[in-house]
Amino acid sequence: DAGVTQSPTHLIKTRGQHVTLRCSPISGHKSVSWYQQVLGQGPQFIFQYYEKEERGRGNFPDRFSARQFPNYSSELNVNALLLGDSALYLCASSPLVMNTGELFFGEGSRLTVL
Amino acid sequence: GIQVEQSPPDLILQEGANSTLRCNFSDSVNNLQWFHQNPWGQLINLFYIPSGTKQNGRLSATTVATERYSLLYISSSQTTDSGVYFCAGLSGNTPLVFGKGTRLSVIA
Repeated sequence: DAGVTQSPTHLIKTRGQHVTLRCSPISGHKSVSWYQQVLGQGPQFIFQYYEKEERGRGNFPDRFSARQFPNYSSELNVNALLLGDSALYLCASSPLVMNTGELFFGEGSRLTVL
Repeated sequence: GIQVEQSPPDLILQEGANSTLRCNFSDSVNNLQWFHQNPWGQLINLFYIPSGTKQNGRLSATTVATERYSLLYISSSQTTDSGVYFCAGLSGNTPLVFGKGTRLSVIA
């Protein structure tokens, strides 16, 4: 079975631009979470979606938004990119809402902002 | 949300040595996971262990929920064990919170 898939794997943007990252969860999983990992740190929670509804939001500015589609795939959007948004963005899926069950992560999308 | 502390932050081992990584958390957890992050950034699931002990080959983990800590044991370490090990826990309805990781280097 396919694991969590993310695209693109690497991308380079300039300050002020917009980026869209995509995630497909494991088949049968209805929950998708997004995490940001900057160099040398552990991943930080950004959003969680379950059954197409936002179920949790981390301490990130409104430039960050996300949505989940009827097939449970998800997009993370970041507007007005800053240098500090350079990071590895990780998507995780789980069969249930965030406080139950095991999370499985994709390989990540590595964003560089110049 | 809960706080997760990992120790040691860095560890260097000779191939074949054993090691213990520790994770302390500030509140009771209903989910506790250990991950290995490979050089390409992917988080590989090692254990889902809110309580008790599990073993998988040379790796084992123990979580003592009442005392708010978890241990990851690596026996007979190999160079392929190198990388960053994260523990992550969640409490109640909070999201999964990660520690800062333990960077392990195994030298041949």
